[in-house]
Amino acid sequence: DTGVSQNPRHKITKRGQNVTFRCDPISEHNRLYWYRQTLGQGPEFLTYFQNEAQLEKSRLLSDRFSAERPKGSFSTLEIQRTEQGDSAMYLCATSLDGRDTDTQYFGPGTRLTVL
Amino acid sequence: DQQVKQNSPSLSVQEGRISILNCDYTNSMFDYFLWYKKYPAEGPTFLISISSIKDKNEDGRFTVFLNKSAKHLSLHIVPSQPGDSAVYFCAASIRNTDKLIFGTGTRLQVFP
Repeated sequence: DTGVSQNPRHKITKRGQNVTFRCDPISEHNRLYWYRQTLGQGPEFLTYFQNEAQLEKSRLLSDRFSAERPKGSFSTLEIQRTEQGDSAMYLCATSLDGRDTDTQYFGPGTRLTVL
Repeated sequence: DQQVKQNSPSLSVQEGRISILNCDYTNSMFDYFLWYKKYPAEGPTFLISISSIKDKNEDGRFTVFLNKSAKHLSLHIVPSQPGDSAVYFCAASIRNTDKLIFGTGTRLQVFP
C-alpha cells in the first residue's frame, strides 16, 4: 500500500488563473477529505466524500472552489480565478468506512503559491 | 471560535526525558481525539487516538490521556528521541460526522 498521494506537490500560479489538484486515496478507502493549512494554523476542513458523493462542504469553500470524486476513486480540487489568499497547503486525507473511520490518513499535500 | 486549543506553540526537551504536549477543547460533543505529527513539507502522520469512553491509550512510547471533565488531553512521549522533533497537532471529532477539528500545533524539539 503506497498511502495517499497528491499531485502536484507544488504549484505556483498567477492571480486569476485556475488550478487543479489531484488526490489518490489508499486503495479501498471510501472516504476522502480535503483540508487547507495556512502558516501557523492547523488543517481546516474543506469538504468530504463518501465514495462519489460529496456529503459536506465547509463555509471556507467559496463558489470558486469545486471538488469531484468520479467513480469514488481519485479526487480533484479545482480553484478558479485564484486569489493571493488561496495560498496555502492543500491536504487530502482518506479513511475506511466501518473501521476507525475517524482515523484519517493524510497525503503529503500540495503547496499553492498565488503571485 | 477555536474549539481545539494548543496553548504552547513550542516545547524543548532533552533526549531521554518525557515530553508532555497539551490540548484543550471546548465542544463537549467531541468524542474522539487524535494526535498527528508533522514534519516540514509533509502531510500529518497519525500517531495515536482515544475514544471518549477511555481515559488512557498507550502505544509504545506514546500515551494519550483524556480528562473529559476538564476537557483536556495530553500526549506523553517517553523516552523522547531527536527523531520526535516535529510539530504535533491535536484533533477532535464528533463520531459519524467525519470532520476533524485541529489545534494550531506545538513544535517539539528534542535535543541531545
